[in-house]
Amino acid sequence: ELQLVQSGAEVKEPGESLKISCKASGYSFTSYWIGWVRQMPGKGLELMGIIYPDDSRTTYSPSFSGQVTVSADRATNTAYLQWNSLKASDTALYYCARHITVTEHWYFDLWGRGTLVTVFS
Amino acid sequence: SSDLTQDPAVSVALGQTVRITCQGDSFRRYYASWYQQKPGQAPVLVIYGENKRPSGIPDRFSGSNSGSTASLSISGAQAEDEADYYCHSRDSSGYQNVFGGGTKLTVL
Repeated sequence: ELQLVQSGAEVKEPGESLKISCKASGYSFTSYWIGWVRQMPGKGLELMGIIYPDDSRTTYSPSFSGQVTVSADRATNTAYLQWNSLKASDTALYYCARHITVTEHWYFDLWGRGTLVTVFS
Repeated sequence: SSDLTQDPAVSVALGQTVRITCQGDSFRRYYASWYQQKPGQAPVLVIYGENKRPSGIPDRFSGSNSGSTASLSISGAQAEDEADYYCHSRDSSGYQNVFGGGTKLTVL
């Protein structure tokens, strides 16, 4: 079945590290970019970064560059989003999504259900 | 801030046609993709490329570009169409992805 399965909700304290995951199935994981999208409470969608699992090329949106790390494991068909030091403002729902760039008109055609990250002291 | 600008809220009477717009210079070159998000659910792609619908999306959904404006139209809006709608495209540089701020559609 074509799907992206994300890891479960996390509750962390400020300053802690965190790595959340997105496991792909039903398609060739290394043939498509994967993106991570943040949705803060009551707010819109923000693309954080994308990765091409075949060679781990990454592109970060300017607002998120240096704040998070996107990675991928070809052996397990899993993409990751990582923080080294969480802040309360990282509290949000995080989605992974398959990113289609076959033509010049890009889009995201398959979404995970999201991982809720709550950061509070 | 976003390179793509959407009206925060739009309403439509049941069965009528509604157009949700998204403004951005990138639409002079690129088509928008559109996403529907219902409360507590992940976004769902409804339109991509030149007015293409993924499998399972009703044909009452359509998309178009004109100048710097991309539009999502829903012909004969249904109660189940009530949701937040987000536009997306490459930014004007062509190197980054960007989402619009979203439009909350209310079906009256």
